Amino acid sequence: DSGVTQTPKHLITATGQRVTLRCSPRSGDLSVYWYQQSLDQGLQFLIQYYNGEERAKGNILERFSAQQFPDLHSELNLSSLELGDSALYFCASSADRNSNQPQHFGDGTRLSIL
Amino acid sequence: AQKVTQAQTEISVVEKEDVTLDCVYETRDTTYYLFWYKQPPSGELVFLIRRNSFDEQNEISGRYSWNFQKSTSSFNFTITASQVVDSAVYFCALSEAMSNFGNEKLTFGTGTRLTIIP
Repeated sequence: DSGVTQTPKHLITATGQRVTLRCSPRSGDLSVYWYQQSLDQGLQFLIQYYNGEERAKGNILERFSAQQFPDLHSELNLSSLELGDSALYFCASSADRNSNQPQHFGDGTRLSIL
Repeated sequence: AQKVTQAQTEISVVEKEDVTLDCVYETRDTTYYLFWYKQPPSGELVFLIRRNSFDEQNEISGRYSWNFQKSTSSFNFTITASQVVDSAVYFCALSEAMSNFGNEKLTFGTGTRLTIIP
């Protein structure tokens, strides 16, 4: 058990809809990262938050947005969903710069667009 | 730009054989971190090892060992006496040095699917 909790585990929805994926980081971790794993793109970094503020952006579509709340949990919002958004979305967390801990991943949310 | 190459898409070996998974990376940074993660059929990503660019010592953990060679930009992973439970997709990843804001994002390779045949 990595200590990172993602909900829901599975999500099935239709094109054009909007969904929210939730992530609770490990206790004490300030950074949250979102990654997308798809068959054609592999594992790709989407966005990182550190202590509530956006820290880095990767290949995240404008239809996607994220935030990190004061209790450090994070949500990834995906809107105007397309078939190509079907993927496994991972959240990872890590501590601050003084920590020797690597990123630990949650079990992922599998999103299926019908 | 950072890049990680795992040229072996799929590998199959018979149980108890040794197997090496290759990883070659590219980065302009002088300080960076290398990782291996395991993704079993159940789908989660399991952290295996992190190595910083200043530590070229090989590491052994049970049946797992890692060979880091800066001269060839490689960070290979060997499983000794493989077992069926080792069947998974293995990812090599690279990150820049830790900043004031914690670990940097990971750049993953495309993964190697390892199948251990009983």
